[in-house]
Amino acid sequence: GENVEQHPSTLSVQEGDSAVIKCTYSDSASNYFPWYKQELGKGPQLIIDIRSNVGEKKDQRIAVTLNKTAKHFSLHITETQPEDSAVYFCAAVYSGGGADGLTFGKGTHLIIQP
Amino acid sequence: DVKVTQSSRYLVKRTGEKVFLECVQDMDHENMFWYRQDPGLGLRLIYFSYDVKMKEKGDIPEGYSVSREKKERFSLILESASTNQTSMYLCASSLADTHTEAFFGQGTRLTVV
Repeated sequence: GENVEQHPSTLSVQEGDSAVIKCTYSDSASNYFPWYKQELGKGPQLIIDIRSNVGEKKDQRIAVTLNKTAKHFSLHITETQPEDSAVYFCAAVYSGGGADGLTFGKGTHLIIQP
Repeated sequence: DVKVTQSSRYLVKRTGEKVFLECVQDMDHENMFWYRQDPGLGLRLIYFSYDVKMKEKGDIPEGYSVSREKKERFSLILESASTNQTSMYLCASSLADTHTEAFFGQGTRLTVV
């Protein structure tokens, strides 16, 4: 099955700086890669996703890049703000025509220092 | 506002009890999922369902079963709760196409004593 590795487990950055979280996946057939943000006491919420036919996607301060050859994808957050403090999860799945569950990384606790 | 609702935020059960965790979604989604979240281990898939009465094992199904009698409701059952099942349990739902957003409930913190 799929295996997703996520680094770092904790990331502390100064407010206004950029944050980068990296993930690798094992199954070359995986073709959908979402990122979720989980705030304290809440369930994870999708913030951005990318499909295997795209190399990069951007949404305001958030961007995701995908390198299919190397089987890794990254989340980039620019101009970080206090509300970006949360746990972030990457995930991967192969959509072969049927339903399947996402395989998640272990999460990154992002801390924005004022 | 789309919603996935889990019946309890916190539960405390005794070892050996049969435990039911309930999840309801109001988005008419075909897919529903149960995940378990533990510190340092991330989210791990227990079971999922892509249609009424259909179920598929995830990565860690041992000690769990599920029931989906209606499209909007997906139940996780711990047949005989054990202390190593103390965890946060998250329910999610999504449309039939896997390439779509999964919506999560707020989670149920289960403690087995």
